[in-house]
Amino acid sequence: TQLLEQSPQFLSIQEGENLTVYCNSSSVFSSLQWYRQEPGEGPVLLVTVVTGGEVKKLKRLTFQFGDARKDSSLHITAAQPGDTGLYLCAGAQAAGNKLTFGGGTRVLVKP
Amino acid sequence: DTAVSQTPKYLVTQMGNDKSIKCEQNLGHDTMYWYKQDSKKFLKIMFSYNNKELIINETVPNRFSPKSPDKAHLNLHINSLELGDSAVYFCASSRGFWAGETQYFGPGTRLLVL
Repeated sequence: TQLLEQSPQFLSIQEGENLTVYCNSSSVFSSLQWYRQEPGEGPVLLVTVVTGGEVKKLKRLTFQFGDARKDSSLHITAAQPGDTGLYLCAGAQAAGNKLTFGGGTRVLVKP
Repeated sequence: DTAVSQTPKYLVTQMGNDKSIKCEQNLGHDTMYWYKQDSKKFLKIMFSYNNKELIINETVPNRFSPKSPDKAHLNLHINSLELGDSAVYFCASSRGFWAGETQYFGPGTRLLVL
């Protein structure tokens, strides 16, 4: 079993719909990050959350860090085809920056 | 300007061969990483160097040997390649090794061992 479990593994929606991706663990993380990876490229950081209960918004994307710092969610409002990609959550457990990645959620937004 | 670059982008080789992948970052970062992404897209840390010093060395076969000649470069040499080594290898860098620092990833090297 992975330290960070992402769900769902795959999500296919129509343009304009909302979606939520979850990242869950039984372990506590000092920080949690969300990355998006497009085919043939490396992951690109979307956000870092460090405080339990923290909510961050980036345009149509809303990120939440659980109160206990064990889980996180990514919500996309009115998804667009440009949101298509592999979404990865990654957590650091100690003071250092050693990241443990979740298994990823592949999102497909159809026009 | 490319922030983190890797060469080659594609590498196809026979089992048993030795190969190297090179990584360079022009961001002035102190910390560099090597990750392996398998066919199911699972990304796993292999090594990390901070100021040319090895600070993360995960459970990786000793056929894999990283080398950091200076802060801007981190190379990965793989001896006696096996079929299971086929994957995409990503290099990344960050300003430092503090938790939450942004890691900037290279475009990846797609290794196929036949």
